[in-house]
Amino acid sequence: GAVVSQHPSRVICKSGTSVKIECRSLDFQATTMFWYRQFPKQSLMLMATSNEGSKATYEQGVEKDKFLINHASLTLSTLTVTSAHPEDSSFYICSARDPSDSSYNSPLHFGNGTRLTVT
Amino acid sequence: QKEVEQNSGPLSVPEGAIASLNCTYSDRVSQSFFWYRQYSGKSPELIMSIYSNGDKEDGRFTAQLNKASQYVSLLIRDSQPSDSATYLCAVNGGRGSTLGRLYFGRGTQLTVWP
Repeated sequence: GAVVSQHPSRVICKSGTSVKIECRSLDFQATTMFWYRQFPKQSLMLMATSNEGSKATYEQGVEKDKFLINHASLTLSTLTVTSAHPEDSSFYICSARDPSDSSYNSPLHFGNGTRLTVT
Repeated sequence: QKEVEQNSGPLSVPEGAIASLNCTYSDRVSQSFFWYRQYSGKSPELIMSIYSNGDKEDGRFTAQLNKASQYVSLLIRDSQPSDSATYLCAVNGGRGSTLGRLYFGRGTQLTVWP
């Protein structure tokens, strides 16, 4: 399956600062990537769909000015959490489809996730 | 987001038993369904995909789909302690703005005791 690499795996930052998380597709091009967030004991919640060369599509209730997504190349999408606050502490995970089956019905493969802690 | 409901856990079974995990979904036009396994502190990993009504078997895992009832399940035969994890049901959005997006249930935590 597709390999998606995410960096960093863990980050601790102070309240009010911004944090950038990178998601790379290894050995394949991903025109679309998906960003999820997971709070402890909760489900994965889709935050936004990252589209190469165009604006991201955000899910209802997700602040686009707070969670900036940039997909400037076919192998890299970034999520920047701006002016982070303790309530933004969560597990952020990116995903992409296997390039051998990029249809809408194919499964997603996930990066290893980034554990963000805002103090 | 689309509703995906999973049976409440946690579920605890002895080693060698069958573990049964259930999921219902709200979007009647969804066409693809997945089961992911998530170990504590890790990201989800795909274990089963199912697209058509009926059963699909892969090793010790069997996925079952009933689109009329909007129901999908996962059976794990000969459960092993290494199967202890949270199992997430995921459903693809079937139309419009949800097309291609994957929505997850809350997950069922499974513990297999030796």
